[in-house]
Amino acid sequence: EPEVTQTPSHQVTQMGQEVILRCVPISNHLYFYWYRQILGQKVEFLVSFYNNEISEKSEIFDDQFSVERPDGSNFTLKIRSTKLEDSAMYFCASRGRRNTDTQYFGPGTRLTVL
Amino acid sequence: AQSVTQLDSHVSVSEGTPVLLRCNYSSSYSPSLFWYVQHPNKGLQLLLKYTSAATLVKGINGFEAEFKKSETSFHLTKPSAHMSDAAEYFCAVISNFGNEKLTFGTGTRLTIIP
Repeated sequence: EPEVTQTPSHQVTQMGQEVILRCVPISNHLYFYWYRQILGQKVEFLVSFYNNEISEKSEIFDDQFSVERPDGSNFTLKIRSTKLEDSAMYFCASRGRRNTDTQYFGPGTRLTVL
Repeated sequence: AQSVTQLDSHVSVSEGTPVLLRCNYSSSYSPSLFWYVQHPNKGLQLLLKYTSAATLVKGINGFEAEFKKSETSFHLTKPSAHMSDAAEYFCAVISNFGNEKLTFGTGTRLTIIP
């Protein structure tokens, strides 16, 4: 069964450093998402991406964040200058066609900012 | 606007007894509703979804949920709990009107007592 994959599973970085989290969505899916879950809190929407542009973003997704689909398979989340409060589990998700609404999630990348 | 309230942060049941995890939602439009399960150090797995078809929805691992519009509820049930059901369960909603993001509840931690 096709699945969303994410790398790395765990990323440790120093405050102020740039990180790139990588995701490979399900092949032939068209809609892509990033969510995050701070330890002990609920899962929060960050951004949605379709047709090579952001379709919606939350207040959390400020200028420090960016997303990209650099090729036909990868979907990346970049944090330019990490802060302590960026420590969280980051989930990538993908969805197929417009008239389907099920988002399939990857296993997540745990980001630890020191 | 859309929101989800999970009424119990923690539920404990004995193995072999029924499980009830409660979820109430708010949505400006016809919602789609989802239950996801998260096992320790794992990603989010879709258990089941409601998308305006049958109000009683069956999912994986013997779980089911009933959509009740009059009560704005989508409670998750299972007739007989198994040790492997111990996990965090998230209810989520998406409005069916151009809205991209899933809005999650705060989660319910299910503990199974041997």
